[in-house]
Amino acid sequence: DTEVTQTPKHLVMGMTNKKSLKCEQHMGHRAMYWYKQKAKKPPELMFVYSYEKLSINESVPSRFSPECPNSSLLNLHLHALQPEDSALYLCASSQNSGTEAFFGQGTRLTVV
Amino acid sequence: KNQVEQSPQSLIILEGKNCTLQCNYTVSPFSNLRWYKQDTGRGPVSLTIMTFSENTKSNGRYTATLDADTKQSSLHITASQLSDSASYICVVSATGNTGKLIFGQGTTLQVKP
Repeated sequence: DTEVTQTPKHLVMGMTNKKSLKCEQHMGHRAMYWYKQKAKKPPELMFVYSYEKLSINESVPSRFSPECPNSSLLNLHLHALQPEDSALYLCASSQNSGTEAFFGQGTRLTVV
Repeated sequence: KNQVEQSPQSLIILEGKNCTLQCNYTVSPFSNLRWYKQDTGRGPVSLTIMTFSENTKSNGRYTATLDADTKQSSLHITASQLSDSASYICVVSATGNTGKLIFGQGTTLQVKP
């Protein structure tokens, strides 16, 4: 199983809503990542978890809150987002921080 | 500054033709270089990953090369198919960078019948 599964695939939320994006992998990977990707741009790193601990936060606004409940799961909690936060949110995992990363199919988020 | 530059920005070729995409990087110290294929609105899919000691790596019709001395990589696509239409992203990882990947801007390939 070389899959990284993200749910939901699409999400539309209002600026006052609270929602969560979920990511799951069963490859035994110990590094997991959240990326944000705008149209026609490369992914931008948001957070890195290594061995279930947050190791990198790329100065992401606090309206994005990551959580790693266990080694297979990664969540991204969303609250009070802005329309400019609309993007494709990608989750990835790798054996450790230096090895090949596998990406999920992404969640297309639209903030209205 | 760690950077990855890709060329061309976009490319249109006819089905069945070959093409080569370029990637130049200034990432140091170098750990590995990856090529990803990304369909519009989908997550990137890994094509190859190459370390310092590897010069060539193939994955079906995709062949990547790496010249660590000149800090250049290429991705050659043979006998292109319509399904090859996508964005191809070169990504470089630095040693000890705790998970940060440096992404190129990508090359958008369109294969026409």
